[in-house]
Amino acid sequence: DAGVIQSPRHEVTEMGQEVTLRCKPISGHDYLFWYRQTMMRGLELLIYFNNNVPIDDSGMPEDRFSAKMPNASFSTLKIQPSEPRDSAVYFCASSSGRARQPQHFGDGTRLSIL
Amino acid sequence: DQQVKQNSPSLSVQEGRISILNCDYTNSMFDYFLWYKKYPAEGPTFLISISSIKDKNEDGRFTVFLNKSAKHLSLHIVPSQPGDSAVYFCAANNPNSGYALNFGKGTSLLVTP
Repeated sequence: DAGVIQSPRHEVTEMGQEVTLRCKPISGHDYLFWYRQTMMRGLELLIYFNNNVPIDDSGMPEDRFSAKMPNASFSTLKIQPSEPRDSAVYFCASSSGRARQPQHFGDGTRLSIL
Repeated sequence: DQQVKQNSPSLSVQEGRISILNCDYTNSMFDYFLWYKKYPAEGPTFLISISSIKDKNEDGRFTVFLNKSAKHLSLHIVPSQPGDSAVYFCAANNPNSGYALNFGKGTSLLVTP
């Protein structure tokens, strides 16, 4: 079975550029999560969706960050404009809505903003 | 503020011995706890979980213990194997926060032959 698929795996771009990270959740999962991992803050939840609807975006750092889920099989996390402090590994995860099912993570996108 | 804390950044254990990874939490509303394992350049992989109605859950070589009064949980790996070398994350869920998970910063386990 295919797991959570993220693209690109690595992204290097210059400050001020727009960055788009992509995620395909596991088929049949109705929850999708975006996390960011940094040395300072560890793994922190940015936003999560249920049935394509954003439920909690309280972790989104600022207005430069936006996330969408246009359908059940695709989500994007966009940063515009990007800044060096956005450099991190961004993970997408998905889970089934049945009670207390674990989240399954993709392999992440390593983002470097120069 | 960090509501889930893993105070040991690293741990080294000999193959065949027991590995004990610890996790403390501050939010008494947490009622579901998970351990994830992460290899370099991969995403975290779910390992084992425990609900607050239990104090122990076992799955093969992995056992998680929960002490609610101390707000402490631990993951025991017996016997440890070199393939267990990875970063282990503790995570917790507050049902009032929906499905959001709070993660600790991880403990890097090295199992030496």
